[in-house]
Amino acid sequence: GENVEQHPSTLSVQEGDSAVIKCTYSDSASNYFPWYKQELGKGPQLIIDIRSNVGEKKDQRIAVTLNKTAKHFSLHITETQPEDSAVYFCAAPVYSGGGADGLTFGKGTHLIIQP
Amino acid sequence: EAQVTQNPRYLITVTGKKLTVTCSQNMNHEYMSWYRQDPGLGLRQIYYSMNVEVTDKGDVPEGYKVSRKEKRNFPLILESPSPNQTSLYFCASMSLYEQYFGPGTRLTVT
Repeated sequence: GENVEQHPSTLSVQEGDSAVIKCTYSDSASNYFPWYKQELGKGPQLIIDIRSNVGEKKDQRIAVTLNKTAKHFSLHITETQPEDSAVYFCAAPVYSGGGADGLTFGKGTHLIIQP
Repeated sequence: EAQVTQNPRYLITVTGKKLTVTCSQNMNHEYMSWYRQDPGLGLRQIYYSMNVEVTDKGDVPEGYKVSRKEKRNFPLILESPSPNQTSLYFCASMSLYEQYFGPGTRLTVT
Protein backbone atom coordinates (compact mmCIF):
# COMPACT_ATOMS: atom_id res chain seq x y z
CA GLY A 1 0.00 0.00 0.00
CA GLU A 2 0.88 3.67 -0.11
CA ASN A 3 3.54 4.92 2.32
CA VAL A 4 3.86 8.66 2.97
CA GLU A 5 6.88 10.11 4.76
CA GLN A 6 6.82 13.71 6.00
CA HIS A 7 9.68 15.94 7.18
CA PRO A 8 10.46 17.74 9.38
CA SER A 9 8.35 16.80 12.37
CA THR A 10 8.83 20.26 13.87
CA LEU A 11 9.72 23.49 12.06
CA SER A 12 10.32 26.83 13.73
CA VAL A 13 10.66 29.96 11.58
CA GLN A 14 10.72 33.69 12.20
CA GLU A 15 7.59 35.60 11.31
CA GLY A 16 7.89 36.84 7.74
CA ASP A 17 10.26 34.06 6.66
CA SER A 18 9.30 31.13 4.44
CA ALA A 19 8.55 27.59 5.54
CA VAL A 20 8.87 24.40 3.50
CA ILE A 21 7.50 20.98 4.42
CA LYS A 22 8.36 17.93 2.34
CA CYS A 23 6.69 14.59 1.72
CA THR A 24 7.57 11.50 -0.25
CA TYR A 25 5.21 8.76 -1.40
CA SER A 26 5.70 5.23 -2.64
CA ASP A 27 2.86 4.40 -5.05
CA SER A 28 3.62 5.67 -8.54
CA ALA A 29 -0.10 5.40 -9.38
CA SER A 30 -0.96 8.17 -6.91
CA ASN A 31 -2.32 11.22 -8.70
CA TYR A 32 -3.67 13.49 -5.99
CA PHE A 33 -1.75 15.13 -3.14
CA PRO A 34 -3.57 17.23 -0.54
CA TRP A 35 -2.29 19.23 2.40
CA TYR A 36 -4.26 19.63 5.60
CA LYS A 37 -3.86 22.19 8.38
CA GLN A 38 -4.83 21.34 11.94
CA GLU A 39 -5.23 24.22 14.36
CA LEU A 40 -5.23 23.64 18.10
CA GLY A 41 -8.40 21.93 19.27
CA LYS A 42 -9.77 21.39 15.77
CA GLY A 43 -9.88 18.72 13.10
CA PRO A 44 -7.63 18.91 10.03
CA GLN A 45 -8.86 21.06 7.14
CA LEU A 46 -7.85 20.93 3.51
CA ILE A 47 -5.81 24.00 2.53
CA ILE A 48 -4.44 23.13 -0.89
CA ASP A 49 -4.08 20.14 -3.17
CA ILE A 50 -2.38 19.24 -6.43
CA ARG A 51 -3.06 16.69 -9.10
CA SER A 52 -0.41 14.86 -11.04
CA ASN A 53 -1.00 16.70 -14.28
CA VAL A 54 0.61 19.88 -12.92
CA GLY A 55 3.93 20.59 -11.23
CA GLU A 56 2.94 23.56 -9.07
CA LYS A 57 -0.14 25.21 -7.66
CA LYS A 58 -0.39 28.49 -5.75
CA ASP A 59 -3.02 30.06 -3.55
CA GLN A 60 -1.94 33.43 -2.15
CA ARG A 61 0.90 32.72 0.31
CA ILE A 62 0.83 28.95 0.01
CA ALA A 63 2.02 26.77 -2.84
CA VAL A 64 2.52 23.09 -3.46
CA THR A 65 5.06 21.57 -5.84
CA LEU A 66 5.10 18.03 -7.17
CA ASN A 67 7.93 15.99 -8.62
CA LYS A 68 6.40 12.76 -9.93
CA THR A 69 9.71 11.32 -11.06
CA ALA A 70 11.19 11.61 -7.59
CA LYS A 71 7.83 10.90 -5.90
CA HIS A 72 7.88 13.90 -3.64
CA PHE A 73 5.76 16.95 -3.06
CA SER A 74 6.26 20.01 -0.90
CA LEU A 75 4.25 22.72 0.82
CA HIS A 76 5.67 26.24 0.69
CA ILE A 77 4.38 29.05 2.89
CA THR A 78 5.79 32.53 2.23
CA GLU A 79 5.69 35.61 4.47
CA THR A 80 4.65 33.50 7.42
CA GLN A 81 2.26 34.96 9.98
CA PRO A 82 1.34 33.91 13.53
CA GLU A 83 -1.88 32.32 12.30
CA ASP A 84 0.17 29.90 10.22
CA SER A 85 1.22 28.16 13.44
CA ALA A 86 -0.42 24.72 13.29
CA VAL A 87 0.19 21.07 12.48
CA TYR A 88 0.33 20.33 8.76
CA PHE A 89 -0.34 16.92 7.21
CA CYS A 90 0.38 15.73 3.70
CA ALA A 91 -1.57 12.82 2.24
CA ALA A 92 -1.87 10.57 -0.77
CA PRO A 93 -4.65 8.27 -2.01
CA VAL A 94 -4.87 4.61 -1.05
CA TYR A 95 -5.92 2.47 -3.97
CA SER A 96 -7.61 -0.91 -4.15
CA GLY A 97 -8.73 -2.75 -7.26
CA GLY A 98 -11.88 -0.67 -7.42
CA GLY A 99 -10.27 2.74 -7.06
CA ALA A 100 -9.31 5.08 -4.24
CA ASP A 101 -10.15 3.81 -0.76
CA GLY A 102 -9.32 6.98 1.11
CA LEU A 103 -6.13 8.80 2.05
CA THR A 104 -3.00 7.86 3.92
CA PHE A 105 -1.42 10.67 5.91
CA GLY A 106 2.09 11.69 6.81
CA LYS A 107 2.94 11.96 10.51
CA GLY A 108 2.54 15.71 10.53
CA THR A 109 4.74 18.79 10.91
CA HIS A 110 4.31 21.17 13.81
CA LEU A 111 5.01 24.62 12.36
CA ILE A 112 5.89 27.29 14.90
CA ILE A 113 6.04 30.93 13.85
CA GLN A 114 8.33 32.91 16.14
CA PRO A 115 7.39 36.60 16.60
CA GLU B 1 -23.65 24.29 6.80
CA ALA B 2 -21.76 21.23 5.58
CA GLN B 3 -20.21 19.53 8.56
CA VAL B 4 -19.18 16.41 10.42
CA THR B 5 -20.24 16.25 14.06
CA GLN B 6 -18.92 14.02 16.82
CA ASN B 7 -20.12 13.38 20.33
CA PRO B 8 -18.94 13.53 22.97
CA ARG B 9 -16.04 15.96 22.50
CA TYR B 10 -14.37 14.86 25.73
CA LEU B 11 -14.74 11.60 27.62
CA ILE B 12 -13.01 10.11 30.64
CA THR B 13 -13.89 6.50 31.36
CA VAL B 14 -12.59 3.41 33.14
CA THR B 15 -11.10 0.25 31.73
CA GLY B 16 -13.70 -2.19 30.46
CA LYS B 17 -16.71 0.12 30.39
CA LYS B 18 -18.26 -0.01 26.91
CA LEU B 19 -18.59 3.31 25.12
CA THR B 20 -19.77 4.68 21.80
CA VAL B 21 -18.60 7.81 20.01
CA THR B 22 -21.16 9.04 17.52
CA CYS B 23 -20.37 10.60 14.15
CA SER B 24 -22.77 12.21 11.73
CA GLN B 25 -22.35 14.03 8.40
CA ASN B 26 -24.86 16.09 6.45
CA MET B 27 -23.15 16.04 3.04
CA ASN B 28 -24.59 12.75 1.77
CA HIS B 29 -21.08 11.29 1.44
CA GLU B 30 -20.78 7.57 0.89
CA TYR B 31 -17.28 7.27 2.38
CA MET B 32 -16.70 7.71 6.11
CA SER B 33 -13.71 6.92 8.26
CA TRP B 34 -12.37 6.94 11.81
CA TYR B 35 -8.83 7.96 12.78
CA ARG B 36 -6.90 8.19 15.98
CA GLN B 37 -4.20 10.81 16.49
CA ASP B 38 -1.31 10.21 18.84
CA PRO B 39 1.84 12.31 19.37
CA GLY B 40 4.53 11.42 16.85
CA LEU B 41 2.29 8.95 15.03
CA GLY B 42 0.07 11.28 13.04
CA LEU B 43 -3.37 10.16 11.87
CA ARG B 44 -3.90 6.42 11.79
CA GLN B 45 -7.02 4.95 10.25
CA ILE B 46 -9.09 2.65 12.45
CA TYR B 47 -12.01 1.67 10.20
CA TYR B 48 -13.63 3.02 7.08
CA SER B 49 -16.90 2.54 5.25
CA MET B 50 -17.46 2.87 1.52
CA ASN B 51 -21.23 2.82 1.87
CA VAL B 52 -24.14 1.65 4.02
CA GLU B 53 -23.53 -1.81 5.50
CA VAL B 54 -19.97 -1.88 4.05
CA THR B 55 -17.11 -1.49 6.54
CA ASP B 56 -13.41 -2.37 6.38
CA LYS B 57 -10.47 -2.41 8.73
CA GLY B 58 -7.90 0.34 8.55
CA ASP B 59 -4.39 0.26 9.95
CA VAL B 60 -5.24 -0.04 13.67
CA PRO B 61 -8.64 -1.77 14.06
CA GLU B 62 -7.91 -3.90 17.15
CA GLY B 63 -10.22 -3.11 20.06
CA TYR B 64 -12.72 -1.15 17.96
CA LYS B 65 -16.00 -1.84 16.20
CA VAL B 66 -18.06 0.26 13.81
CA SER B 67 -21.43 0.07 12.14
CA ARG B 68 -22.97 1.83 9.14
CA LYS B 69 -26.72 1.32 9.20
CA GLU B 70 -27.46 4.74 7.70
CA LYS B 71 -25.49 6.86 5.27
CA ARG B 72 -25.13 9.83 7.61
CA ASN B 73 -24.02 7.99 10.78
CA PHE B 74 -20.87 6.03 11.54
CA PRO B 75 -20.47 5.29 15.26
CA LEU B 76 -17.23 4.01 16.79
CA ILE B 77 -17.67 1.41 19.51
CA LEU B 78 -15.15 0.40 22.16
CA GLU B 79 -16.53 -2.77 23.73
CA SER B 80 -13.91 -2.98 26.47
CA PRO B 81 -11.72 0.14 26.48
CA SER B 82 -8.13 -0.10 27.69
CA PRO B 83 -5.64 2.64 28.64
CA ASN B 84 -3.78 2.25 25.32
CA GLN B 85 -6.92 3.55 23.61
CA THR B 86 -6.47 6.91 25.27
CA SER B 87 -6.19 9.17 22.24
CA LEU B 88 -7.74 11.91 20.13
CA TYR B 89 -10.28 10.47 17.69
CA PHE B 90 -11.49 12.00 14.44
CA CYS B 91 -14.36 11.02 12.24
CA ALA B 92 -14.23 12.06 8.58
CA SER B 93 -16.36 11.83 5.48
CA MET B 94 -15.04 12.08 1.95
CA SER B 95 -16.22 13.46 -1.34
CA LEU B 96 -14.08 12.25 -4.26
CA TYR B 97 -10.71 12.87 -2.62
CA GLU B 98 -11.34 15.65 -0.09
CA GLN B 99 -11.89 14.54 3.49
CA TYR B 100 -13.95 16.58 5.91
CA PHE B 101 -13.02 16.03 9.53
CA GLY B 102 -15.10 16.34 12.65
CA PRO B 103 -13.87 18.41 15.62
CA GLY B 104 -12.41 15.42 17.45
CA THR B 105 -13.16 13.43 20.59
CA ARG B 106 -10.53 13.34 23.31
CA LEU B 107 -10.83 10.01 25.12
CA THR B 108 -9.05 9.12 28.34
CA VAL B 109 -9.25 5.55 29.66
CA THR B 110 -8.06 5.11 33.25
